[in-house]
Amino acid sequence: GAGVSQTPSNKVTEKGKYVELRCDPISGHTALYWYRQSLGQGPEFLIYFQGTGAADDSGLPNDRFFAVRPEGSVSTLKIQRTERGDSAVYLCASSTLAGGTGELFFGEGSRLTVL
Amino acid sequence: GEDVEQSLFLSVREGDSSVINCTYTDSSSTYLYWYKQEPGAGLQLLTYIFSNMDMKQDQRLTVLLNKKDKHLSLRIADTQTGDSAIYFCAETAGGSYIPTFGRGTSLIVHP
Repeated sequence: GAGVSQTPSNKVTEKGKYVELRCDPISGHTALYWYRQSLGQGPEFLIYFQGTGAADDSGLPNDRFFAVRPEGSVSTLKIQRTERGDSAVYLCASSTLAGGTGELFFGEGSRLTVL
Repeated sequence: GEDVEQSLFLSVREGDSSVINCTYTDSSSTYLYWYKQEPGAGLQLLTYIFSNMDMKQDQRLTVLLNKKDKHLSLRIADTQTGDSAIYFCAETAGGSYIPTFGRGTSLIVHP
């Protein structure tokens, strides 16, 4: 596809369960970002990949959150022992970082609800 | 630390101009952005301004940057009902590739 694709679009889970959220970036984009957006808030940075490596993971709230991008394309955000406070829309974005306006291309998000 | 602040709501009549304001704290900001989010959709870049510019115009959109006051504004001329959305101000600080976003301003355009 032409844009950033995120799956699932909606996920309802129970407290304590494990969740994986997937992001397919735009082909050729080397930079990939995960943000979290709670109701009424702006996107909050979680982690940024340049290629396969996490260049900055300072936004991950705690060690229950982890993300990988093993082949420098698709990324998975993993949340262990989910809590009700993890409920939010998880946004993925990608960018070329070439020629520097830094435009991010966002997916539509994965809405996570923890009951 | 970085912080980006916006007013939460703006209501305008169709055909009027809208002005959405944003303040930021990081004096090393290099790029400042306006993103638009329509219901159920991802954020989409509307326009951006480099920190050494004061103004940028793009069709109905005018961005004004006051570096001294760390104030950014987005003016939409001849606002249409299709402009109803949430508008996010964002910045990247010097050397960073990670934009920091404000909470968003919900623009409501009524006939």
